[in-house]
Amino acid sequence: NAGVMQNPRHLVRRRGQEARLRCSPVKGHSHVYWYRQLPEEGLKFMVYLQKENIIDESGMPKERFSAEFPKEGPSILRIQQVVRGDSAAYFCASSPGTGGVRYGYTFGSGTRLTVV
Amino acid sequence: AQRVTQPEKLLSVFKGAPVELKCNYSYSGSPELFWYVQYSRQRLQLLLRHISRESIKGFTADLNKGETSFHLKKPFAQEEDSAMYYCRRIQGAQKLVFGQGTRLTINP
Repeated sequence: NAGVMQNPRHLVRRRGQEARLRCSPVKGHSHVYWYRQLPEEGLKFMVYLQKENIIDESGMPKERFSAEFPKEGPSILRIQQVVRGDSAAYFCASSPGTGGVRYGYTFGSGTRLTVV
Repeated sequence: AQRVTQPEKLLSVFKGAPVELKCNYSYSGSPELFWYVQYSRQRLQLLLRHISRESIKGFTADLNKGETSFHLKKPFAQEEDSAMYYCRRIQGAQKLVFGQGTRLTINP
């Protein structure tokens, strides 16, 4: 069991480009969560997804950000037309489902996005 | 909205000294609270959860409903304890709420 895999580990983008962050959950986990950690700040919830469904996106910026978790393949966090303020560490976590958030919540190592 | 507050952004103590990282939560029935640790450039790891009343790496945390607190304590700090510590609670069915985090530095 490889745990939650995020790639790339580091991503550099120029302003205006698109950033795609990938998250492969723990095998058997059907729930994925994305968090953002801005420099010198704590973790902020962004979005919670189940397979093919967005359950809670209350933490997502209204524009330029989107997330998906298709039936097959990893979850993708997509940031269009990146700006310097998007530079942060983006963490993904997964859980097996109901009740999993209490015991089976596993974090990935994160993707550090730098916008230049 | 339910909140978790970690009032100290930075905490620095000497090796061997006691450590207390503060966490306060907004009142809401019976909260479920946890502490996570993030060592330098590593992923977040669950340190302990209040329902199990366990001690991990010498750390303990007691839920104080009267003070709505869940402070993390260790009687004698070690250099390897230097890390970022997050207090968090469950909100709703699945969403987690994290505190702002406290960066703990242990000085030799």
